[in-house]
Amino acid sequence: GAGVSQSPRYKVAKRGQDVALRCDPISGHVSLFWYQQALGQGPEFLTYFQNEAQLDKSGLPSDRFFAERPEGSVSTLKIQRTQQEDSAVYLCASSLARGVGETQYFGPGTRLLVL
Amino acid sequence: GESVGLHLPTLSVQEGDNSIINCAYSNSASDYFIWYKQESGKGPQFIIDIRSNMDKRQGQRVTVLLNKTVKHLSLQIAATQPGDSAVYFCAENPGSGGSYIPTFGRGTSLIVHP
Repeated sequence: GAGVSQSPRYKVAKRGQDVALRCDPISGHVSLFWYQQALGQGPEFLTYFQNEAQLDKSGLPSDRFFAERPEGSVSTLKIQRTQQEDSAVYLCASSLARGVGETQYFGPGTRLLVL
Repeated sequence: GESVGLHLPTLSVQEGDNSIINCAYSNSASDYFIWYKQESGKGPQFIIDIRSNMDKRQGQRVTVLLNKTVKHLSLQIAATQPGDSAVYFCAENPGSGGSYIPTFGRGTSLIVHP
């Protein structure tokens, strides 16, 4: 596609529900990143994939957060038993290859509101 | 701990003026810096980057200046237009071990008045 797409764009969940957020990276991009962005703050790193391998998940805030990219393209970020503090915008970004200096292209984000 | 931050949370300018957005970083090991623009409801968009072996880099209407002595980064926008209104983030890559994960600062909101 022309850019990184994410779905849904908006999600309202009741506390305790599970949610799944989808990211479609730019075709052919090897690297995929997930970020969490709180209101008025910069994006904070959650996890990183190189193809299907999850190379870094140090930013995931708890074991309720899980991400996968089974075929090295589409990725899903799953949040189990959502809590109010999970409310944020979840951004996905992809880049052509790994390495410093590779431009990351961001999707529009999924705005999650947990009630 | 190490962090990236911005001096001014909000900057208001008149259309046609030049804008300067500042950023301080504290990780002296950082060797790559990026400026992003984020419009409401959209993801961050790459504007310009600079490596630590440079002190200035120019793009179209934008210039990034890097002062490693005082760990300061700035983004200059010439002839600011209403379409430049957005939140601007600086981000740094620590660089050690080939790290590819940028650390973002809080952001500066640029408001351009017509």
